[in-house]
Amino acid sequence: AQSVTQLDSHVSVSEGTPVLLRCNYSSSYSPSLFWYVQHPNKGLQLLLKYTSAATLVKGINGFEAEFKKSETSFHLTKPSAHMSDAAEYFCVVSDRRNAGNMLTFGGGTRLMVKP
Amino acid sequence: DADVTQTPRNRITKTGKRIMLECSQTKGHDRMYWYRQDPGLGLQLIYYSFDVKDINKGEISDGYSVSRQAQAKFSLSLESAIPNQTALYFCATGSDSTDTQYFGPGTRLTVL
Repeated sequence: AQSVTQLDSHVSVSEGTPVLLRCNYSSSYSPSLFWYVQHPNKGLQLLLKYTSAATLVKGINGFEAEFKKSETSFHLTKPSAHMSDAAEYFCVVSDRRNAGNMLTFGGGTRLMVKP
Repeated sequence: DADVTQTPRNRITKTGKRIMLECSQTKGHDRMYWYRQDPGLGLQLIYYSFDVKDINKGEISDGYSVSRQAQAKFSLSLESAIPNQTALYFCATGSDSTDTQYFGPGTRLTVL
């Protein structure tokens, strides 16, 4: 079984300051891990994906995430927040053993960016 | 044009009504999925289909049914809508060569 825990339901930062969105996962096999972003009234957009290559994954819009197997974590970071980063972010795990590549979603973290 | 489209984008209906949500894709993917999103719960899988002749229940299929009319079309039906089915519904597509899924813009359904 696989599961995902996003440790903060809401994160508030000031524009220009760093962003850290925390994610811990549980998977009995080597997982794929994703971060998706959902802007208000929009669908989910893939930010980045980890699939056992480099542990530091770079995504779109300046975001990156580091896979730490020993800590079962996949935290999302950005050096400097922009107002347009305000959105909901989902950490997602896929156990690549299962035939359907089913995704398990975390509960989401709402990022607020203050001017 | 968007690769994954959903219609309608918004729908308000009454308890007991039958509702159909439609999804179409131009990505050429075999796999299609329906999810619902509730605040604080992320997305939960309702049904999924690996090809036209394959339909599978997800975590929360009770009260829902689906139809895969073609490779590109996957519809979700609520036979008799109830208020706790008020949610945001997403369709997604994928292929057997990758575990990445691609999502539509969502349908906001309100059941009064």
